[in-house]
Amino acid sequence: KAGVTQTPRYLIKTRGQQVTLSCSPISGHRSVSWYQQTPGQGLQFLFEYFSETQRNKGNFPGRFSGRQFSNSRSEMNVSTLELGDSALYLCASSLEGQGGEQYFGPGTRLTVT
Amino acid sequence: GQQLNQSPQSMFIQEGEDVSMNCTSSSIFNTWLWYKQEPGEGPVLLIALYKAGELTSNGRLTAQFGITRKDSFLNISASIPSDVGIYFCAGQLLAGGTSYGKLTFGQGTILTVHP
Repeated sequence: KAGVTQTPRYLIKTRGQQVTLSCSPISGHRSVSWYQQTPGQGLQFLFEYFSETQRNKGNFPGRFSGRQFSNSRSEMNVSTLELGDSALYLCASSLEGQGGEQYFGPGTRLTVT
Repeated sequence: GQQLNQSPQSMFIQEGEDVSMNCTSSSIFNTWLWYKQEPGEGPVLLIALYKAGELTSNGRLTAQFGITRKDSFLNISASIPSDVGIYFCAGQLLAGGTSYGKLTFGQGTILTVHP
């Protein structure tokens, strides 16, 4: 079975721009969670999608949004980028998103200049 | 909110030594997961624990779900150079809406193994 894939792997953007990151879950997994990883804050939960619905959201500003498609692929969008948004963005997939194992992709390294 | 305290923050050991690390939480969890992350990669799942008191092994790795449901331990026996990386604990509470898909992570333990 193919693992979780994320594209692009690396991205450099300018402050004020917006960015869209993509995640393809493991086949058969319907839940996709997104996390932000920074040296200072560690791994922080952004949001979770299941059957095209956002079921849970972490403590991030509204500039961070996402969506999920009928094939369970997910995208996250960050608008009006700030320098502090520079981070590794990870998505993880699981069967149902409730108590099961989560499998992570390689991440997208976003640098905001 | 829930917080996970993971210790130690870093470890420098000789090849062949055993390693222990642990996580404690201010709240209970229903699931404990242990991950390893290497530079430039996402975390890789090592062990999943689902029941209080459960002891699970994966090769040289052994993890336990604490009886109180507020802690978990990971042991690595006979360490080898490829064990180098950052180890994270993560917990999930099954409580409906605010817990869907959400893992709470420890700060990580940086493991260095000297040959």
